[in-house]
Amino acid sequence: AQSVAQPEDQVNVAEGNPLTVKCTYSVSGNPYLFWYVQYPNRGLQFLLKYITGDNLVKGSYGFEAEFNKSQTSFHLKKPSALVSDSALYFCAVRERGNEKLTFGTGTRLTIIP
Amino acid sequence: NAGVTQTPKFRILKIGQSMTLQCTQDMNHNYMYWYRQDPGMGLKLIYYSVGAGITDKGEVPNGYNVSRSTTEDFPLRLELAAPSQTSVYFCASSGASNEKLFFGSGTQLSVL
Repeated sequence: AQSVAQPEDQVNVAEGNPLTVKCTYSVSGNPYLFWYVQYPNRGLQFLLKYITGDNLVKGSYGFEAEFNKSQTSFHLKKPSALVSDSALYFCAVRERGNEKLTFGTGTRLTIIP
Repeated sequence: NAGVTQTPKFRILKIGQSMTLQCTQDMNHNYMYWYRQDPGMGLKLIYYSVGAGITDKGEVPNGYNVSRSTTEDFPLRLELAAPSQTSVYFCASSGASNEKLFFGSGTQLSVL
């Protein structure tokens, strides 16, 4: 069965500093991996995805994520945090051939001015 | 372009009442999903559909039913509402299994 873990419920980062939101996954085969962001009282919005190819994926709003197969990780990163990046971030995984997308429990990112 | 539209945005039900949460998309997507979001629990998949006439259970289907008579619509039915169904419900759609999901704005449901 596929699963995804976000080990940190809360991450606080000073504005201008680099940020990392962690995600690890478990699948039997090859994964599709996604990051979504949720702002208050809104639905989730797509940030980026890994399907195949280059392990470093670039997405919206300056975010990027690195697929690491040996560590089964897909951490979200940004070189310089903005206050407007404060939101709830979800990692998600789908095993190839499985129609279901499984979400992590979310990480609340707070950027401190 | 409307995307994924959910109605209603808010609803309060009494225990034992029934209701249907509506979801429609105008992107001609085959894949549609219903998730519920509980605080600290992330999103749990209730039901999903890979095309008109095809539905399947997700992780937490008990107490819910769905239908997919058209590509555009994917309503979620609660037959006998229980307090455990108090949650925020999101509908989503995608064009293929490796494509991103488009989410609706959600329905906040309270069962009292």
